[in-house]
Amino acid sequence: AQSVAQPEDQVNVAEGNPLTVKCTYSVSGNPYLFWYVQYPNRGLQFLLKYITGDNLVKGSYGFEAEFNKSQTSFHLKKPSALVSDSALYFCAVRDSGGDKLIFGTGTRLQVFP
Amino acid sequence: GAVVSQHPSRVICKSGTSVKIECRSLDFQATTMFWYRQFPKKSLMLMATSNEGSKATYEQGVEKDKFLINHASLTLSTLTVTSAHPEDSSFYICSATTSGRALYEQFFGPGTRLTVL
Repeated sequence: AQSVAQPEDQVNVAEGNPLTVKCTYSVSGNPYLFWYVQYPNRGLQFLLKYITGDNLVKGSYGFEAEFNKSQTSFHLKKPSALVSDSALYFCAVRDSGGDKLIFGTGTRLQVFP
Repeated sequence: GAVVSQHPSRVICKSGTSVKIECRSLDFQATTMFWYRQFPKKSLMLMATSNEGSKATYEQGVEKDKFLINHASLTLSTLTVTSAHPEDSSFYICSATTSGRALYEQFFGPGTRLTVL
């Protein structure tokens, strides 16, 4: 069965520092991986996806993610964090049997000024 | 492009009443819509998948008679919580995609906060 793990409930980082939000996955077949961000009392916003091709995927708001097949990871990164990046981040994998997305439990990113 | 709206954004109702939540794709035709429930500790649970013109497919453990889903057109899906109880209080989020795009991403609505008194 497909699954996604986000091992950190919360990540704290100082503004201007690089940030990493971790995600590992378990899939059968080729993984289709996604990152979404959720601001308070809002729906999810798409950040980026990996379907195929380059392992480094660039997305919205300066975020990027690196697909690592050997480590089955898809960590979200940003070179310089902003206070406005503070939000809840979800990693997801597409279910191989259909259109469903399987979400991780989410990681709250807190960027301190 | 790819905007999904939900209405209402917030609803408070009495126990035993029914509540309808609408999910609309505003600028594309949504062949598939998904309904999620988000619990206070943040996990996002898929409730059901609905395809236009056909019955919804419910996830295991979700009561289809309690959470009625209708996807009557390519731009509208509705979730009706019947005989709501306080334990149904939650944040409900819909998402939509169009044929061939589910491979890529789903577009999410802003969510509906349901409070059952």
